[in-house]
Amino acid sequence: QSALTQPASVSGSPGQSITISCTGTNGDVGGYNYVSWYQQHPGKAPKLIIYDVTNRPSGVSNRFSGSKSGNTASLTISGLQAEDEADYHCASYTSSSTRVFGGGTKLTVL
Amino acid sequence: EVRLVESGGGLVKPGGSLRLSCAASGFTFSPYSMNWVRQAPGKGLEWVSSISGSSRDISYTDSVKGRFTISRENAKNSLYLQVNSLRAEDTAVYYCARDRASAGRYFYAMDVWGPGTTVTVSS
Repeated sequence: QSALTQPASVSGSPGQSITISCTGTNGDVGGYNYVSWYQQHPGKAPKLIIYDVTNRPSGVSNRFSGSKSGNTASLTISGLQAEDEADYHCASYTSSSTRVFGGGTKLTVL
Repeated sequence: EVRLVESGGGLVKPGGSLRLSCAASGFTFSPYSMNWVRQAPGKGLEWVSSISGSSRDISYTDSVKGRFTISRENAKNSLYLQVNSLRAEDTAVYYCARDRASAGRYFYAMDVWGPGTTVTVSS
C-alpha cells in the first residue's frame, strides 16, 4: 500500500493555470476510474473537489478539472485565485479493496 | 445540516488504547460506507479503514491491521474506531468521512468530513 506520488509543491500567479500530478500503479490509479481530489486549507478538514477522475460535486467551481492518462491522474486549476492557496490531495481505490492517498501538494499563489 | 463530529482523542502512552467515536447527523446514516482517515503533524492524509453500511465489508491499511477495529451502530448514527497497541507513529488527527452516494449509486470518494479528533501517543 504505497502512497501515490504527488509533487511536494507547485506555484502560480493569479489568473494562471496549474496542474498537479498524481502517479500510482496499475493496481490503483491506472486500474480504476475512482480517483478523487481534496482541497485542504490550514487547520481545516479536507473538501472533496473531484471524484471519479473528472466529476465535480455540486458547488465546486468549474475552474477545477480532473483527468487521467495511464497510471497518472492530474488536477488542473485554471484562473488561479488567492483562495485556491491550499494543500491538495489525490486518492484512489485499489485492487486490494482499500484506498490510498498521495503525499499532498502545497499550492502557493504568488 | 449534514454533519460528522469525532470525539475520543487524547494523550495516551505507547501501548495504550482509545475508542474514537463519530456522531453523524442530518442524513440517513445506515446506507453509507464510512471511513477513518488520519493526518500526522505536517504530513499528508492517510486512509486508515472503511466499513460498508451493513458492516459486511471492512478493510484496513496494513499498518493498523490487528491493532485497530472499525465498527458502527446504525441505530445510534455512530461510527467507531477502537485503537489498541498505540505507537508514536499513530499520532495524528483522525477524521471520519462519508463516502459519496447519489441516485442509488455509491462512490469511492469522501464527500463529508468531520473536524477531526487528535490522538497523541507519547510517554
